[in-house]
Amino acid sequence: AQRVTQPEKLLSVFKGAPVELKCNYSYSGSPELFWYVQYSRQRLQLLLRHISRESIKGFTADLNKGETSFHLKKPFAQEEDSAMYYCALTKGSGGSNYKLTFGKGTLLTVNP
Amino acid sequence: DAGVIQSPRHEVTEMGQEVTLRCKPISGHNSLFWYRQTMMRGLELLIYFNNNVPIDDSGMPEDRFSAKMPNASFSTLKIQPSEPRDSAVYFCASRYRGRDQPQHFGDGTRLSIL
Repeated sequence: AQRVTQPEKLLSVFKGAPVELKCNYSYSGSPELFWYVQYSRQRLQLLLRHISRESIKGFTADLNKGETSFHLKKPFAQEEDSAMYYCALTKGSGGSNYKLTFGKGTLLTVNP
Repeated sequence: DAGVIQSPRHEVTEMGQEVTLRCKPISGHNSLFWYRQTMMRGLELLIYFNNNVPIDDSGMPEDRFSAKMPNASFSTLKIQPSEPRDSAVYFCASRYRGRDQPQHFGDGTRLSIL
């Protein structure tokens, strides 16, 4: 079965510092990977998906199939980035493959 | 589009009572998901539907939980009888068909069972 691991429950950085939120996955096929963000007591919002290779709010994430990782990075953290970040994986198209498997999440705190 | 709409936003009830949570997915989306979020267990998928048909209910904790999707624009998650350990935030999400389509989440229902 597929699994998503976010090794850090908590991550604290100062404003302006680089930030990297780690995500490792286990799945033998071609996964679809996403990062979701949840600001305090709000809904989960899609931040990034690996297929689009875009930068949202200064965040980027690169899929490394060799290391089975999909780390989220931002060169200069801002206080408004403080939130819970979830890495998620789905296996692909068709039937039960649309099910998202979430990591446990990393709570990012950006200090002034 | 108003996004995924869940009701109620908050529910406080006594144990033993029946609880019904409601979800309206985004129009045109053909998959719908129910999640439960707690501090201890994080986000757990309870059940999901494709084209109104339940596909995977392996995450439903026990027989007290049931979910229905009578049509493409409405789903319910029912707990009967409710217990204090059911207290959590319940999220509904929907998704359009196709590879790499993300799930869109509702605002959640914060459920407290006393």
